[in-house]
Amino acid sequence: AQKITQTQPGMFVQEKEAVTLDCTYDTSDPSYGLFWYKQPSSGEMIFLIYQGSYDQQNATEGRYSLNFQKARKSANLVISASQLGDSAMYFCAMSPTYSGAGSYQLTFGKGTKLSVIP
Amino acid sequence: ETGVTQTPRHLVMGMTNKKSLKCEQHLGHNAMYWYKQSAKKPLELMFVYSLEERVENNSVPSRFSPECPNSSHLFLHLHTLQPEDSALYLCASSQVWGDGYTFGSGTRLTVV
Repeated sequence: AQKITQTQPGMFVQEKEAVTLDCTYDTSDPSYGLFWYKQPSSGEMIFLIYQGSYDQQNATEGRYSLNFQKARKSANLVISASQLGDSAMYFCAMSPTYSGAGSYQLTFGKGTKLSVIP
Repeated sequence: ETGVTQTPRHLVMGMTNKKSLKCEQHLGHNAMYWYKQSAKKPLELMFVYSLEERVENNSVPSRFSPECPNSSHLFLHLHTLQPEDSALYLCASSQVWGDGYTFGSGTRLTVV
């Protein structure tokens, strides 16, 4: 079984500052992937970034970076230079890695509500 | 039109009604999913279809009935729902491992 824990129900950050959203996970799968999604008030879940458990380098996508510490089982999201449009719910998720393409199950955390202050 | 489209965006139904949620993806993905998002709870996987066959059913009550007629369409048929079924229902699709899901905007369901 997999479990995702996000301990910050809500976070505030000043515009243009960086912010770190915490995520810890637990799994018995030897190979897995970690994801972060953004959910604005409109409801759509937007994929932000992915980290494979065997990736040697931390993932980066524009202003988003994933601070992956495998031994600590943490996969924190760092948003640099926050913008007002970053205000949203952020979800950490994980899935085991299966061979072959097709379907897989994502397990989500409860999310963190980020509010960017002008 | 691109991405994953869900209709309707909002739905209010009585406990004795029968309604259906629709999801359509234009991404050429071969797997589709239904998730339920309730207030203050993690997203819950309800159903998974891979190559139009159901491969996962996470103990969802029978009042929810999925249908996947082809790789581009997914339905969730609803009947005799309970007020606690009120939630945001999200559809998603995926193809290659590591690309992440593509979600629709969801259907906000209220059962009265």
